[in-house]
Amino acid sequence: DSGVTQTPKHLITATGQRVTLRCSPRSGDLSVYWYQQSLDQGLQFLIHYYNGEERAKGNILERFSAQQFPDLHSELNLSSLELGDSALYFCASRASGGANTGELFFGEGSRLTVL
Amino acid sequence: LAKTTQPISMDSYEGQEVNITCSHNNIATNDYITWYQQFPSQGPRFIIQGYKTKVTNEVASLFIPADRKSSTLSLPRVSLSDTAVYYCLVAVGYGGATNKLIFGTGTLLAVQP
Repeated sequence: DSGVTQTPKHLITATGQRVTLRCSPRSGDLSVYWYQQSLDQGLQFLIHYYNGEERAKGNILERFSAQQFPDLHSELNLSSLELGDSALYFCASRASGGANTGELFFGEGSRLTVL
Repeated sequence: LAKTTQPISMDSYEGQEVNITCSHNNIATNDYITWYQQFPSQGPRFIIQGYKTKVTNEVASLFIPADRKSSTLSLPRVSLSDTAVYYCLVAVGYGGATNKLIFGTGTLLAVQP
């Protein structure tokens, strides 16, 4: 158990719809990273938040948005869904200091299926 | 940000030692090298991290030459359960620009009986 919780684990929806994926980082971790992994593909970096502030964007579509709340949980909003948005969406948190310099702790992912 | 290059796939047999090399030619002074393992439909899991020379833990060793332009993950005596995708990630330590953590394509290790 990584300590990172993602909900829902599975989600099936139709094209054109909007969904929200939720991530609770490990206790005390301020950084949250979101990744998309399509079938048999690598991990595509979407966005990074640190203590409520957006720090970096990757290949995130304009239809997607995210935020990190004061309690540090994060939500990834996907709208106007298309078939190609079907993927596993992972969130990861990262320790906020000390000797740790790169270890990411991943959740189990949210599998989104768009029909 | 340092770009990483790994072999797409490797094959091995149970009981053998496997070495997976990652190239990161433009690694910066503050960058650390981290390796992750991912099973299908699961989140990647941290294996090992290093800055230079050799690091060993209970599951793997990481060898980093003096110029740090590459690193080699060594898995001793692999078993069928080691079949997975292995990613190397080069990330700047705290105090630097760690905002984008971009994974490479990964290496699919297939272990056969």
